[in-house]
Amino acid sequence: ETGVTQTPRHLVMGMTNKKSLKCEQHLGHNAMYWYKQSAKKPLELMFVYSLEERVENNSVPSRFSPECPNSSHLFLHLHTLQPEDSALYLCASSQGPRPFNEQYFGPGTRLTVT
Amino acid sequence: AQKITQTQPGMFVQEKEAVTLDCTYDTSDQSYGLFWYKQPSSGEMIFLIYQGSYDEQNATEGRYSLNFQKARKSANLVISASQLGDSAMYFCAMTGTASKLTFGTGTRLQVTL
Repeated sequence: ETGVTQTPRHLVMGMTNKKSLKCEQHLGHNAMYWYKQSAKKPLELMFVYSLEERVENNSVPSRFSPECPNSSHLFLHLHTLQPEDSALYLCASSQGPRPFNEQYFGPGTRLTVT
Repeated sequence: AQKITQTQPGMFVQEKEAVTLDCTYDTSDQSYGLFWYKQPSSGEMIFLIYQGSYDEQNATEGRYSLNFQKARKSANLVISASQLGDSAMYFCAMTGTASKLTFGTGTRLQVTL
C-alpha cells in the first residue's frame, strides 16, 4: 500500500450516531491534516498534527474530535453531527509542517448526515 | 492573512490544445510557496506543481508549467497538449510562514474531442 489511504470512502450517519474516519499514510511523513470540502467552498483546514501533537485547530466544533496515535495514523471521531457537516473529508500528510512542503492527499470520505 | 482567487469557475479546451488556468494571490509574507492540485471526480487531490516565491525560474513538471509573475501576484497553471484525462477540478493553493495551506475555489476544466 502506498500514499495516503482513507476509510471508509462513503459514510451515511444519523445525527445521533458516533462514527470515526481513518487515515493512514505510507510516505514516512511526520505531519498530518484534516480538511473539509463542502460544495462551492474552498477547502477548509480543520486540524494539523505534527509529530503526533496537534498544532492547529481552526475553530472546529467539538463534535469533531481528532486523534493521532502515531505519525502514520490519523482519526476523526464524529458525534452528534448536523446536516451541514455533510461534505468530503480529506486527509493529507507532508514532511513538515515546514513551509512549502507539498501535501499529499487521500481519496477522501464522503460523509452524509441525515 | 492569505487569499487565493481563481476567477474561472469553468473552462473548456480541445484535446491537444494548451490551456491556462488563472490564479492570483494575496499575502503579507515575504517568503511563500504556491501549489497547484488536480481533483478528479474520484475526489483525491493530486499534487501537480510547486513554485517558491524566491525561485527565479518558472516551475515545470512534464506538461504542467507555472507562469509566475511575482509583481502581479499571479501564478497561472499552463497545461500543454491537453488530454481527456486532464478533465478535473484544479485548485491553486499557497502557504506562507504559518505553514497553513490556503486553497482557492477551483476551476473545472473540461477537455473535449
